Amino acid sequence: EVHLVESGGGWVQPGGSLRLSCAASGFTFTGYWMSWVRQAPGKGLEWVANIKQDGTEKYYGDSVKGRFTISRDNAKKSLYLQMDSLSAEDSALYYCARDTSSWDFDYWGQGSLVTVSS
Amino acid sequence: QSALTQPPSASGSPGQSVTISCTGTSSDVGGYEFVSWYQQFPGKAPKLMIYEVSKRPSGVPDRFSGSKSGNTASLTVSGLQAEDEADYYCSSYGGSNHYVVFGGGTKLTVL
Repeated sequence: EVHLVESGGGWVQPGGSLRLSCAASGFTFTGYWMSWVRQAPGKGLEWVANIKQDGTEKYYGDSVKGRFTISRDNAKKSLYLQMDSLSAEDSALYYCARDTSSWDFDYWGQGSLVTVSS
Repeated sequence: QSALTQPPSASGSPGQSVTISCTGTSSDVGGYEFVSWYQQFPGKAPKLMIYEVSKRPSGVPDRFSGSKSGNTASLTVSGLQAEDEADYYCSSYGGSNHYVVFGGGTKLTVL
């Protein structure tokens, strides 16, 4: 059974940094693109970033480009999101999701909450 | 990377059909057959309901169907049931730079 478990969320001051992790199990991790998708409290879904199976291609949403970095460690079956220069607008529940070949997300984690506040 | 446009709310009585629209541009919805729909209950992660415009993952009831015309995709829920009351989001591949764009979400209420 596919499992995605996020961790690393918490409270951080504006301008600070945080690193999220996502542990994957139950599937061949190296066979899939992976994404981060976020959802601000009471708001809709926003795609954040994705990364190719071997980590050689990475793409970002306009709102996080230049501040966030997606990475993966295939040996550890883990996905990461390094978030720098955080602002209140980045406060959200961050989901790790498995990409399919048709640019949708068939499995999601339970999310990791990030709160940016002074 | 502008968000797709969905109506904020939709409703119907049990047994009826309801359709939720999702409007984009020729650079996303209209340009690719990669439109998806997700169902989300409060406090839960989204669940994939429709992919590639009209395909259903295993386990999704055939009451849920998807279609697309031009730059607008639609999700139709037939034979509405109380358990269908949830938020629904569309998404589309955006083409260049491999990005994905979501709609703002539609809250479906079963009256």
